[in-house]
Amino acid sequence: GAVVSQHPSWVICKSGTSVKIECRSLDFQATTMFWYRQFPKQSLMLMATSNEGSKATYEQGVEKDKFLINHASLTLSTLTVTSAHPEDSSFYICSASRQASYEQYFGPGTRLTVT
Amino acid sequence: AQTVTQSQPEMSVQEAETVTLSCTYDTSESDYYLFWYKQPPSRQMILVIRQEAYKQQNATENRFSVNFQKAAKSFSLKISDSQLGDAAMYFCAYRSANQGGSEKLVFGKGTKLTVNP
Repeated sequence: GAVVSQHPSWVICKSGTSVKIECRSLDFQATTMFWYRQFPKQSLMLMATSNEGSKATYEQGVEKDKFLINHASLTLSTLTVTSAHPEDSSFYICSASRQASYEQYFGPGTRLTVT
Repeated sequence: AQTVTQSQPEMSVQEAETVTLSCTYDTSESDYYLFWYKQPPSRQMILVIRQEAYKQQNATENRFSVNFQKAAKSFSLKISDSQLGDAAMYFCAYRSANQGGSEKLVFGKGTKLTVNP
């Protein structure tokens, strides 16, 4: 149990376009979802925390207008990178947690390349 | 704010030998959770082991065990009988357990473990 999927696993987009990444909890209800960014050979950097039905809480330095996060249901959260630029190229990972649980379950990640 | 420090960017071990990865953390909280995650080349984060701070007994999961020293704020991971499949990045992470506290995981910078045949 506690499986989290991400789609797509990799995506290439042109500079200036927007791209949406989906994160789904397949066998549990995720009251909280987290979005991370990971640069090569570096640790995970938390971008934002989202609770179902409410606005995401962004970490300092993360542009909320650029990285739009929606957590519309207990099994789905989306991250939309708007007006993507080459510097947005990175590996994006989501995780999800159940209510009253301290454990986070991670998705397999999405590699975004902006050309 | 809490911080997690992994002082060993890289470590190597011979197959079947034992290796210990270091992790220290800083917090003013009394109740929290500590984790070790493994990230293999596939980049899927895999939970290796967890420790609740209120438990004095060190957690163990098969070949993986921790040495949790709460007063020293140290949380090292010992891998026994190392296998080639253990080669990965290992991240130490902290999470508050306080009521109303942050649900965020605070990660260290990671240790790259190489297992030599």
